[in-house]
Amino acid sequence: TQLLEQSPQFLSIQEGENLTVYCNSSSVFSSLQWYRQEPGEGPVLLVTVVTGGEVKKLKRLTFQFGDARKDSSLHITAAQPGDTGLYLCAGADSNYQLIWGAGTKLIIKP
Amino acid sequence: DTAVSQTPKYLVTQMGNDKSIKCEQNLGHDTMYWYKQDSKKFLKIMFSYNNKELIINETVPNRFSPKSPDKAHLNLHINSLELGDSAVYFCASSPWGANEQFFGPGTRLTVL
Repeated sequence: TQLLEQSPQFLSIQEGENLTVYCNSSSVFSSLQWYRQEPGEGPVLLVTVVTGGEVKKLKRLTFQFGDARKDSSLHITAAQPGDTGLYLCAGADSNYQLIWGAGTKLIIKP
Repeated sequence: DTAVSQTPKYLVTQMGNDKSIKCEQNLGHDTMYWYKQDSKKFLKIMFSYNNKELIINETVPNRFSPKSPDKAHLNLHINSLELGDSAVYFCASSPWGANEQFFGPGTRLTVL
């Protein structure tokens, strides 16, 4: 069974700090996605990474796919209260089915 | 314009009742999904339909029955509701063969 482990499960930091969340697996994925979910809403896609070693930036968010396509990280620079939410990673297996991580709940305090 | 919509947003019902949740997408996608998100926020796939045909049916009690009248709609009917069915149910859609999924706002089901 493929598993995606996210860490930390919960993170609460002050506005302006930097943070990194991780998504790890022993399995290789054809692509990996990061979603953000706010309370009372569905997950919203932030980015898809496809190539091993790929780095994508979305304003203050930097996403990296591991060289072996088994892991990924999300780094947020100068976090703001608007970044608060549940961050979910999802890896696509060889059948294009998504394997979901359990999420990192992020709280940014003003 | 709402891309993926679900109704109702909230559903409170008694154990043993039968209820339905409706989902519609106006994105022209071929594939639709139902997910269950529990209190720990873990998102678990339940069903996937492509162009009205069932392609994923995870280990879900047969009290749950999806129905896709056309490729823009995927409804979820639940018979004999149990306390453990309480969760948030999300509908999602994607183009065929694409991994990116677009989610509805969720239906919070509470079984008393």
